[in-house]
Amino acid sequence: DQQVKQNSPSLSVQEGRISILNCDYTNSMFDYFLWYKKYPAEGPTFLISISSIKDKNEDGRFTVFLNKSAKHLSLHIVPSQPGDSAVYFCAASEYNFNKFYFGSGTKLNVKP
Amino acid sequence: NAGVTQTPKFRVLKTGQSMTLLCAQDMNHEYMYWYRQDPGMGLRLIHYSVGEGTTAKGEVPDGYNVSRLKKQNFLLGLESAAPSQTSVYFCASSDGTPPGKLFFGSGTQLSVL
Repeated sequence: DQQVKQNSPSLSVQEGRISILNCDYTNSMFDYFLWYKKYPAEGPTFLISISSIKDKNEDGRFTVFLNKSAKHLSLHIVPSQPGDSAVYFCAASEYNFNKFYFGSGTKLNVKP
Repeated sequence: NAGVTQTPKFRVLKTGQSMTLLCAQDMNHEYMYWYRQDPGMGLRLIHYSVGEGTTAKGEVPDGYNVSRLKKQNFLLGLESAAPSQTSVYFCASSDGTPPGKLFFGSGTQLSVL
């Protein structure tokens, strides 16, 4: 059974608006969370991360929010740009950081 | 700057054949990983290595073997390929700083007929 779940396979957003991608997890031992972006025919690339001791982390247009009680994290992209169109994966790890469990991905389409 | 290089990029096998996927990184990273990506399943960890000469099992290790004889290389072997191993395989490496910042190769598309 998947420990990290992304229940929305796809999301379409207008350029300039906010994109919100969601991720849920079941393992309460997860200590560290990440988002990756993937373009077709390429490997995933690291986007942003957050430790369980924080509830928010920002990097430019990208902000990750963590709600530990709900076992939920989200990625906000503001403003969205057509170049953001890609598949986004969330991932999580326990304290040893040796294993990272990935969600199934959400395909974001940002319309010009 | 090459980063993480996977060879081959595409391969078609018949059931029962064997093959080795090669991953090479030029960033002097300690940690290396092999993942497979299947539709609706995301990326699942097959095996990983925390340093030269070490390997460990991930989520889905059955049917695969790995070796890390040199720090820069991580080999993934399929001894007797099965159709269930049809997938896209990604290799990744990391120096652990920050945790989880993995550098991925561009993938190998493997089809087992």
